Amino acid sequence: EVQLMESGGGLVQPGGSLRLSCAGSGFTVSNNYMTWVRQAPGKGLEWVSVIYSETSSYYADSVKGRFNISRDKSKNTLYLQMDSLRAEDTAVYYCARLRSAELVFDYWGQGTLVTVSP
Amino acid sequence: EIVMTQSPATLSVSPGERATLSCRASQSLGSNLAWYQQKPGQAPRLLIYGASTRATGIPARFSGSGSGTDFTLTISSLQSEDFALYSCQQYNNWPLTFGGGTKVEIK
Repeated sequence: EVQLMESGGGLVQPGGSLRLSCAGSGFTVSNNYMTWVRQAPGKGLEWVSVIYSETSSYYADSVKGRFNISRDKSKNTLYLQMDSLRAEDTAVYYCARLRSAELVFDYWGQGTLVTVSP
Repeated sequence: EIVMTQSPATLSVSPGERATLSCRASQSLGSNLAWYQQKPGQAPRLLIYGASTRATGIPARFSGSGSGTDFTLTISSLQSEDFALYSCQQYNNWPLTFGGGTKVEIK
């Protein structure tokens, strides 16, 4: 059974950093397109970042230059390093597998809450 | 960036009734549209992709239609477990974008 489990969320001050983790089971994280999607309180879903391979990753304009996506093959885990955090980054962050053929999110984690506040 | 607009924002429906949700794209998507269901405190679940193909395990009461810029999700007879937030997502262009969602609530 495919499962994703995020961790690492919490309260951080503006300008601070946080690293989110997403442990996968039932499939190989490094062989799949993996993404982060966030949802601000009361708002819709927003795609944040995708990693295709160790040399191919892309970001939403709202986080470009501040966030970095990566993965560890040995741990079957996806990461999101978030620097220079802003209040508008406050959201539940989900990791999700992106089906490569149709670019739809077929498996999701339960999410981890990131709150950016003084 | 393709903007996705869903209507209505909230839909009040009685159990057993039909629900019709709309999603409009700012430019043509062909059939590159998906629908997700999300219950409070839970992750989204893929319902429909390719505008009309049900994902694995999705009941037949959920159906999708449309192409180009206008799409519809229909729930033929609402069950108690169907009251949730529904979001559409386009995958015709990067960045992948979602609509703001339609909340289906009990009337």
